[in-house]
Amino acid sequence: AQSVTQLDSQVPVFEEAPVELRCNYSSSVSVYLFWYVQYPNQGLQLLLKYLSGSTLVKSINGFEAEFNKSQTSFHLRKPSVHISDTAEYFCAVVFQGAQKLVFGQGTRLTINP
Amino acid sequence: DAGVIQSPRHEVTEMGQEVTLRCKPISGHDYLFWYRQTMMRGLELLIYFNNNVPIDDSGMPEDRFSAKMPNASFSTLKIQPSEPRDSAVYFCASSFRGRGSYEQYFGPGTRLTVT
Repeated sequence: AQSVTQLDSQVPVFEEAPVELRCNYSSSVSVYLFWYVQYPNQGLQLLLKYLSGSTLVKSINGFEAEFNKSQTSFHLRKPSVHISDTAEYFCAVVFQGAQKLVFGQGTRLTINP
Repeated sequence: DAGVIQSPRHEVTEMGQEVTLRCKPISGHDYLFWYRQTMMRGLELLIYFNNNVPIDDSGMPEDRFSAKMPNASFSTLKIQPSEPRDSAVYFCASSFRGRGSYEQYFGPGTRLTVT
């Protein structure tokens, strides 16, 4: 079965600490991978994506994610978080042959000063 | 471009009333998606359209829900009659599949409260 799992529903970290938000998927076909961010009371915004090529992709605000095919993972990382990174983060997958995004359950990132 | 536009941003209605949510996708986009977000169920895909044609409505919870896309620049999601369990944030998103792009652009959402 094709599915997307975000292993942590909530991740609290201190400001300037590193963070990793985990995402795993289950699929027998090729995938396209995305991370979306949702700030309080807003819609979802694309943070970064992997379609092909380099397995390490980066966003403009310091986040990065690495596609690991053998582990079927696409974990999101940031070496030093800021208060402004407080948001909910969604991993999403398009399975080859499909047209729709399948979203994980979301991870709420809380930054403590 | 102004992005995906949704209206109203907030809707409060009484049980049994008809509710219509509206969406204007980004110009030139050929896919349109309707989602519902709740604390209990997370983000759920309700229905999506390609070139104004409904492709997959398997996520529509029941017959009280209907969606239309009369043209490339407008879509509606209607709930009739509404129930308290329909209270949620409803998002519209659009995308353009040219050049192998799969990313979706989301609107700000409509927060629906049914009392």
